[in-house]
Amino acid sequence: GQNIDQPTEMTATEGAIVQINCTYQTSGFNGLFWYQQHAGEAPTFLSYNVLDGLEEKGRFSSFLSRSKGYSYLLLKELQMKDSASYLCAVQLSGGSYIPTFGRGTSLIVHP
Amino acid sequence: EPEVTQTPSHQVTQMGQEVILRCVPISNHLYFYWYRQILGQKVEFLVSFYNNEISEKSEIFDDQFSVERPDGSNFTLKIRSTKLEDSAMYFCASSAGSGTGNTIYFGEGSWLTVV
Repeated sequence: GQNIDQPTEMTATEGAIVQINCTYQTSGFNGLFWYQQHAGEAPTFLSYNVLDGLEEKGRFSSFLSRSKGYSYLLLKELQMKDSASYLCAVQLSGGSYIPTFGRGTSLIVHP
Repeated sequence: EPEVTQTPSHQVTQMGQEVILRCVPISNHLYFYWYRQILGQKVEFLVSFYNNEISEKSEIFDDQFSVERPDGSNFTLKIRSTKLEDSAMYFCASSAGSGTGNTIYFGEGSWLTVV
């Protein structure tokens, strides 16, 4: 089966930096997505990593290590509106490119 | 920015009734999906659809479920004889392609409450 692990909940202070980790053990790997989901809303795309290394996009960066089955999402200069769930989703290989989602990490940003 | 739209936003139905959830995918996208999210749980894949047929489905997508593209724009999920455990948020999604890096874009979801 597919196993994608993320911390259930994290808290951080406005203006700070937070790193949300994701580890995976899957039968095949093609790439990894990060989505943001506010309560009761749709997941929205943040980033996609297929090669090892860091992808930076404004305040958000995502890192991937394929050999370690590990990714993280780095959020800088946290804002209150960043309070949301952050979903790690693995895109499998072998003909199916359907992303499989982890349970998500609920991030609470406080003043 | 193009978006996936879904109707209804919320539906309450009695157990045993049939429900149809509707979606309009992004216009130039070719791959369509339904996911669901039970309250407090993870987003789960149900089915993908391409070229007017199901391309992949999960074990959740049993004979109770069906999908259809009745015209050039709509994509529907039908749930026959709903059960209490079908209560969830149902997300429609679409993507331009299906391979490496093709991002799936989600609609706002349809809350289904079965009573």
